[in-house]
Amino acid sequence: GAGVSQSPRYKVAKRGQDVALRCDPISGHVSLFWYQQALGQGPEFLTYFQNEAQLDKSGLPSDRFFAERPEGSVSTLKIQRTQQEDSAVYLCASSLFSSSYNEQFFGPGTRLTVL
Amino acid sequence: QKEVEQNSGPLSVPEGAIASLNCTYSDRGSQSFFWYRQYSGKSPELIMSIYSNGDKEDGRFTAQLNKASQYVSLLIRDSQPSDSATYLCAPPAGYALNFGKGTSLLVTP
Repeated sequence: GAGVSQSPRYKVAKRGQDVALRCDPISGHVSLFWYQQALGQGPEFLTYFQNEAQLDKSGLPSDRFFAERPEGSVSTLKIQRTQQEDSAVYLCASSLFSSSYNEQFFGPGTRLTVL
Repeated sequence: QKEVEQNSGPLSVPEGAIASLNCTYSDRGSQSFFWYRQYSGKSPELIMSIYSNGDKEDGRFTAQLNKASQYVSLLIRDSQPSDSATYLCAPPAGYALNFGKGTSLLVTP
């Protein structure tokens, strides 16, 4: 079956531009996660959805970052007024249930470069 | 943020040898652990999950968990050049994953 998909795969933005990153999770997966991965680092948690409810956004680095999952499937991560420090790979993951025992499956990521 | 420590490497092993990757964590409440493999330029791929003390084997991979010592390891038997990648240890933090920085493994022919 289809895995997690993300688009675009690559995004180049000028500093100050707004960007929107899309994630399409595995069909039927309740939980959706966004992570940010800087070069040479492990992924860092940004935010978590259970269906359409955003239950944890403690990892969002600033109020320029906003995520939504309005119908409980596709999610969008939006970054307003991008800065150079936002350059990273943004990873989306989904899992079948909401549990710390549940395996998460990752999409291919969106590589964002802010010039 | 709870600490997850991994030796960044690179860990270099000859083809056919056993590669041993280690991870320590600070959260005594962690009940599950996941090992992900990440090839350069790719996203993390789940290779093992372990939930109870002891060993869990899956093909050439064995995960070992010692909750008392707050230590989890991954052994790769008969290492192949295709195993060259970064291996990420990830205990949960709530429902999310708390990743270590990863250990870079290089298997030399």
